[in-house]
Amino acid sequence: AQSVTQPDIHITVSEGASLELRCNYSYGATPYLFWYVQSPGQGLQLLLKYFSGDTLVQGIKGFEAEFKRSQSSFNLRKPSVHWSDAAEYFCAVAETSGSRLTFGEGTQLTVNP
Amino acid sequence: EAGVVQSPRYKIIEKKQPVAFWCNPISGHNTLYWYLQNLGQGPELLIRYENEEAVDDSQLPKDRFSAERLKGVDSTLKIQPAELGDSAVYLCASSFSRVADTQYFGPGTRLTVL
Repeated sequence: AQSVTQPDIHITVSEGASLELRCNYSYGATPYLFWYVQSPGQGLQLLLKYFSGDTLVQGIKGFEAEFKRSQSSFNLRKPSVHWSDAAEYFCAVAETSGSRLTFGEGTQLTVNP
Repeated sequence: EAGVVQSPRYKIIEKKQPVAFWCNPISGHNTLYWYLQNLGQGPELLIRYENEEAVDDSQLPKDRFSAERLKGVDSTLKIQPAELGDSAVYLCASSFSRVADTQYFGPGTRLTVL
């Protein structure tokens, strides 16, 4: 069965610093990969997704993610973090276009001024 | 365009009482999902509808949980009777068609069972 691991439960960065959130998945073939963000009291919002093609994916709010098949990873990055980026970030995987979405346990991001 | 609407936003009940959550998806979205999100964890799928048909309900605890999506639009998720362990956030999401399509989430219903 597919699974997602987000090794970092909580990350703290300073405003303006770069950010990388890690995501590792377990699946034999190329999965469909997603990053969602959840602010307190809000629903999840899609940041970006990868299905095929270029392994570097651009998303909203200045985020990008890179799919690395050899490492089974799909890490999320942002070159300069803003205070408004403080939220919880979830990586998710789907085996095929018709299967269920499996979420990781999330990484809570704190941004210091 | 209105997003996914859920009500109520918060619900507090005594254990063994019934509770129902309502979701109205984005207009034109054929696929509707109910997720359970426990504190500090990612959402877990409870049930997925394609129009009126429940196509994936393997994770729904059918002894106490039920769901319906009449006319393929809005949906209701019910718990009867509620248990202490059901305290969580219940999220509804919708997408145009397949799972790989972008899922749009509602704000969720936070349930507290006392």
